[in-house]
Amino acid sequence: NAGVTQTPKFQVLKTGQSMTLQCAQDMNHEYMSWYRQDPGMGLRLIHYSVGAGITDQGEVPNGYNVSRSTTEDFPLRLLSAAPSQTSVYFCASRRGSFQETQYFGPGTRLLVL
Amino acid sequence: LAKTTQPISMDSYEGQEVNITCSHNNIATNDYITWYQQFPSQGPRFIIQGYKTKVTNEVASLFIPADRKSSTLSLPRVSLSDTAVYYCLVGDPRNYGGSQGNLIFGKGTKLSVKP
Repeated sequence: NAGVTQTPKFQVLKTGQSMTLQCAQDMNHEYMSWYRQDPGMGLRLIHYSVGAGITDQGEVPNGYNVSRSTTEDFPLRLLSAAPSQTSVYFCASRRGSFQETQYFGPGTRLLVL
Repeated sequence: LAKTTQPISMDSYEGQEVNITCSHNNIATNDYITWYQQFPSQGPRFIIQGYKTKVTNEVASLFIPADRKSSTLSLPRVSLSDTAVYYCLVGDPRNYGGSQGNLIFGKGTKLSVKP
């Protein structure tokens, strides 16, 4: 198993540009989520999904969209990038409830100029 | 949603036992306690999870007193490679989604192990 994969590893955007951060998992996990991590802030939940076709907002959803058309993929879209979205983004998945282990991807480092 | 409080940072030396305590005064009856470890430039990874008393695996031990208002992660004989940020999380496994079903990370404890 490749586990949780994320692409790209690093991206530079200009303010106002759009892009999609890709996340895929091959463990047939139902639960997937996106976090952002800023220096000294820990991880903050952006959006999550409990299964294909079902998504919901986390702590900091503004400026981000998600969709879950398949179990494997959970892309995160930035429609109009802002410097405040400069961060490291982690995708994660787990099989079911909180009691299950959550697996994280390697992260995408995003710089918005 | 139970809030957790951990020390911001801790220092230790190689070979010592390290204990990191997490406070969760308003933990609910069905909440479990989970610890994650994060190395620089990597995503967090699961270390250990427990509900009460003591849990031990090949990496760490987790001590939970009877009132469950705190928990202690114990790392035996740490090495330089244990330098990382450690997160304590509390959640209810019955909640699949929603605020209580998500892993809410605080700022964690930055452990620095020195030679």
